[in-house]
Amino acid sequence: DQQVKQNSPSLSVQEGRISILNCDYTNSMFDYFLWYKKYPAEGPTFLISISSIKDKNEDGRFTVFLNKSAKHLSLHIVPSQPGDSAVYFCAATDSWGKLQFGAGTQVVVTP
Amino acid sequence: DGGITQSPKYLFRKEGQNVTLSCEQNLNHDAMYWYRQDPGQGLRLIYYSQIVNDFQKGDIAEGYSVSREKKESFPLTVTSAQKNPTAFYLCASMDTRSRTDTQYFGPGTRLTVL
Repeated sequence: DQQVKQNSPSLSVQEGRISILNCDYTNSMFDYFLWYKKYPAEGPTFLISISSIKDKNEDGRFTVFLNKSAKHLSLHIVPSQPGDSAVYFCAATDSWGKLQFGAGTQVVVTP
Repeated sequence: DGGITQSPKYLFRKEGQNVTLSCEQNLNHDAMYWYRQDPGQGLRLIYYSQIVNDFQKGDIAEGYSVSREKKESFPLTVTSAQKNPTAFYLCASMDTRSRTDTQYFGPGTRLTVL
């Protein structure tokens, strides 16, 4: 039973435009959410996170929005760059640092 | 250089053989984790350890074993009982004293069972 879902397996976006990645969760006890970026054959790298007491967190080109009532979060990348082409994983945790991951969204940034 | 190392990068084994994957960290993190990634799926938790000499099963622990004799090391053994061992294995660690539940990952080991 997957508690974190990324329903879009892939996303293609033009360089300079906005990328919007979506993530839904079912467990209302989740209180901390993270986004990781992963290149092929490498470990995921931490990108940005948000606590459930906030609804927005921004770090440079990356902004994460959290809608607790809808159990939905999104990652905005603006402007998108070719180096952003990667798989992005959404993750959530409720305690003890046990992360539940979504299946990932492959982002391709085209020139 | 602080970080998490996993070795080897690629590993090949014959069916029926046990194999141990190495994970070492010098970040002074208390907690360590093992995940596997399969094509089209997210990361699934195999085992985790919050402190030395203690570890807990994750969501898919069957066919795997771990040890945590030192804070820096958390090796994973893939046993012959694991029915589908070919996968990309990722180790992570976390500072449990931090205010965030951010895990940091190693580069991964690609295990192929022939």
